[in-house]
Amino acid sequence: DTEVTQTPKHLVMGMTNKKSLKCEQHMGHRAMYWYKQKAKKPPELMFVYSYEKLSINESVPSRFSPECPNSSLLNLHLHALQPEDSALYLCASSHSWPGTGSHNEQFFGPGTRLTVL
Amino acid sequence: TQLLEQSPQFLSIQEGENLTVYCNSSSVFSSLQWYRQEPGEGPVLLVTVVTGGEVKKLKRLTFQFGDARKDSSLHITAAQPGDTGLYLCAPKVGGTSYGKLTFGQGTILTVHP
Repeated sequence: DTEVTQTPKHLVMGMTNKKSLKCEQHMGHRAMYWYKQKAKKPPELMFVYSYEKLSINESVPSRFSPECPNSSLLNLHLHALQPEDSALYLCASSHSWPGTGSHNEQFFGPGTRLTVL
Repeated sequence: TQLLEQSPQFLSIQEGENLTVYCNSSSVFSSLQWYRQEPGEGPVLLVTVVTGGEVKKLKRLTFQFGDARKDSSLHITAAQPGDTGLYLCAPKVGGTSYGKLTFGQGTILTVHP
C-alpha cells in the first residue's frame, strides 16, 4: 500500500466552527507532514512529525492544532479559522525525518479542499 | 535563505510540441526532486536526481541535474493532454532547514488537444 489517504475531500466551515482533517498512511513511514496550498502556488510546509513527535512548526497560527495519535495517523484540528485560511491542505509522509542518508522523498495525499465562510 | 527560481511560470502548448522547464539556484543541492500535481490531486514524485550531470528518463520526460548541482531541467517530448498539471522542483536543502523540501514556484502546463 503506497497510498496516503485524507478525509474529508471537501470541507466548508464557518469561522466559529471546530473541525478536523484526517490523514492516514500504511507505508511504515515515520515522518508525516501538513502543507497548505493556495491556488496555482506551491505547497507551504506547516508541520513535521517524526516518530509521532512534533519536530517542526513553521510559525503556524494556534487556530491550527496538529495531532499524531500513532505512526499511521495525522490529524489537523481547526478552530476559529479565517476566510484567508481557505486552501488545499495536503498531508504527506516519508520514510524518516530529516531524511539523513535518503532524499526525503515524500508521498502526498489528495488533499482536503477547505473553504472558510 | 537560498533563492530558487523555476521557469516558466505558465506554459500553454499544443499536443505534440516539446517543452523544457527550468529550476535554478545559486546554492548547491544534495539532491533534487521533481513532482507533478494534477488538478484536484496531491503532488506525485516523478524523479530524484542526485549526481551532478545526471540524466534520467521517464518515458517522454527527461530530467537533468546540472554539473554543479545548482540547477535542473525537465524536458517533455511530444507533450500530450495527460501531461497537463503543475510541475514542481524541490531541492533537498541543508543548513538550518536541513531535510525540508523547498518547492519552486511551479510551472503550470496546459497541453491542448
